[in-house]
Amino acid sequence: EAQVTQNPRYLITVTGKKLTVTCSQNMNHEYMSWYRQDPGLGLRQIYYSMNVEVTDKGDVPEGYKVSRKEKRNFPLILESPSPNQTSLYFCASSLFDPGQAQETQYFGPGTRLLVL
Amino acid sequence: QQQVKQSPQSLIVQKGGISIINCAYENTAFDYFPWYQQFPGKGPALLIAIRPDVSEKKEGRFTISFNKSAKQFSLHIMDSQPGDSATYFCAASRRNYGQNFVFGPGTRLSVLP
Repeated sequence: EAQVTQNPRYLITVTGKKLTVTCSQNMNHEYMSWYRQDPGLGLRQIYYSMNVEVTDKGDVPEGYKVSRKEKRNFPLILESPSPNQTSLYFCASSLFDPGQAQETQYFGPGTRLLVL
Repeated sequence: QQQVKQSPQSLIVQKGGISIINCAYENTAFDYFPWYQQFPGKGPALLIAIRPDVSEKKEGRFTISFNKSAKQFSLHIMDSQPGDSATYFCAASRRNYGQNFVFGPGTRLSVLP
């Protein structure tokens, strides 16, 4: 079954305590990305990766880091979380093919983060 | 230029009616326009997408209309059903360059039985 998994699903932490949210996909997709979803703002892309060792900033990268050492994993790292990073986070993967009319794309179930 | 505008913010439609959600963009370099459906407590799911070389794409009850000159695209849901009640997001991307996605703020659709 095609799947994007995220862990943890819920996390409460305190300001400044480093945390990592893991993302893994089992579809051998090249393209992976992280989004945050906030009420009234929709989804905003944080970082994306076109393949192993290839990452780039999205629209809201400040305060976040990512790495892509393996094709299946794309962890999101908050080195020093702050309350304004309280949000719902989604990881997604897709088969990057600019020639296709519609790409295959899957989102994970989300990670709800509260930073106190 | 990166912004994607979406309207309406919320929409109430009777069962069997047509739901129409509109989006507009500024960046003419965008070359991929997907729509997503999100149910409460779930991640978004890709619903249908279009590239700017066609003006319309239909999949079942869902149709995207694309107007390149006006820089607008819309989602039409025919014969709307209560099970279609969800939040819908449009998005745009420069996929030929593998670049990032920009999303609209979302439309909350309620289909009354």
